[in-house]
Amino acid sequence: DIQMTQSPSSLSASVGDRVTITCRASQGISNYLAWYQQKPGKIPKLLIYAASTLQSGVPSRFSGSGSGTDFTLTISSLQPEDVATYYCQKYNSAPQTFGPGTKVDIK
Amino acid sequence: EVQLVESGGGLVKPGGSLRLSCAASGFTFSSYSMNWVRQAPGKGLEWVSFISSSSSYIHYADSVKGRFTISRDNAQNSLYLQMNSLRAEDTAVYYCARPTSPHNPYWYFDLWGRGTLVTVSS
Repeated sequence: DIQMTQSPSSLSASVGDRVTITCRASQGISNYLAWYQQKPGKIPKLLIYAASTLQSGVPSRFSGSGSGTDFTLTISSLQPEDVATYYCQKYNSAPQTFGPGTKVDIK
Repeated sequence: EVQLVESGGGLVKPGGSLRLSCAASGFTFSSYSMNWVRQAPGKGLEWVSFISSSSSYIHYADSVKGRFTISRDNAQNSLYLQMNSLRAEDTAVYYCARPTSPHNPYWYFDLWGRGTLVTVSS
């Protein structure tokens, strides 16, 4: 099975900072990569699919890139409402494995 | 309203069994594959199991294989997870999740239930 890793596991940044989270697959997955945001006490929310396509309604400060084994999620200007844990997920075949998550908070 | 509602969680002793249900509404349930995803307290998301729209294809995470059984009843718009030989490490909130497209069964998830908590403890 393909394993997913994320780095860092947590980060603290100031409002307005550019934040980058990395996700790596143990084998190539083309662009079959989604990103989710989970705020404390809430259910996961789809942010990005196909590695770089923004889900409808998601603010444009979120962006994704990558293909193959290496992917990034970028928040161009961190906002207080972005405090959450972010997960990547590979799809298009089972198991649809999630990464371990990256917790983002405000410095 | 398009929604998923899980039920059936609770406190169970190690070695015990529990059956979770997920009631779907507001969409054509029989057209979509479905999944169970769990989240242990303070931990990340773990995909647990997949079932195709007609139940022809089923997959499990290695951590639950041989102990959990996924099933569905399209006439009742319901998804199930039978959990046997439960362990402390199965303690988690269990979510049912639906992919965005009925044409791509192994797709990313755009619809999640609110989850049901399973606690395995003596």
